[in-house]
Amino acid sequence: AQTVTQSQPEMSVQEAETVTLSCTYDTSENNYYLFWYKQPPSRQMILVIRQEAYKQQNATENRFSVNFQKAAKSFSLKISDSQLGDTAMYFCAFMSRMNRDDKIIFGKGTRLHILP
Amino acid sequence: EAQVTQNPRYLITVTGKKLTVTCSQNMNHEYMSWYRQDPGLGLRQIYYSMNVEVTDKGDVPEGYKVSRKEKRNFPLILESPSPNQTSLYFCASSLGLAVTDTQYFGPGTRLTVL
Repeated sequence: AQTVTQSQPEMSVQEAETVTLSCTYDTSENNYYLFWYKQPPSRQMILVIRQEAYKQQNATENRFSVNFQKAAKSFSLKISDSQLGDTAMYFCAFMSRMNRDDKIIFGKGTRLHILP
Repeated sequence: EAQVTQNPRYLITVTGKKLTVTCSQNMNHEYMSWYRQDPGLGLRQIYYSMNVEVTDKGDVPEGYKVSRKEKRNFPLILESPSPNQTSLYFCASSLGLAVTDTQYFGPGTRLTVL
C-alpha cells in the first residue's frame, strides 16, 4: 500500500525567507502524480503544484518549486520569498495512475507559520 | 483508532437516480466537510458543517445536499446525479477551525454517473 510521510508537523520562518517542506512516499508503481496542497484556516484546499512521475523536470509555479527525487521517493516543496499569506497547512499527496485507480493519499500535513 | 469512514468506496450509477454517500467520524469532531477531487482542478469544497444542524455551502455546492443530524455523521446526498458529478469525493473532519486542529480525511469515494 502507498504511504505519504511528512516528517515536519510544524514550521516557522520569517517573512521573505525561503522554506522547504519535506515529503517522502512509498510505492512500487512507476506511473503516478504527486501534489502539494495548501489549506488556509478556511479549510479550502488549494492546489499549489503538481508533478508527474515520468517527468524528470521539477515543477515550478511562481515562488513555489519542488525537488522531485524519484529514486529516493522524495518530493519536497520550496517556497521562496515567503509571504504572510503563505501561512497555512500544507499537504503532500500521492495519486496512482495504475489500474485506473485515482485515489489520492494525503500526508498528515505540515503547519507553516510565516512570521512578520 | 481515530478515523473517518466513507461508504461506498466505489459507486457506478445512472443519471437521475438519487444516491447518498455516508461519512462518519469517531473523534467527536465538530467540523466536517466534503470535497470533490477532479484532474487539474485539485480538491474543491462542496459543503461543510460547523456542528449539528449547522451546514454551509463551499465552493461547488450545486447539485448536492448534506445533513448533520448527529455529530458523527455527515452524509452527502445527490438528489439527481448527472455525469458532471463523476468524481472522487473526500469527507474530512477536524475538532474545529483553529490553526492547531488537524484535519482527518476519509479514504475517498469514486463515483461514476453514466
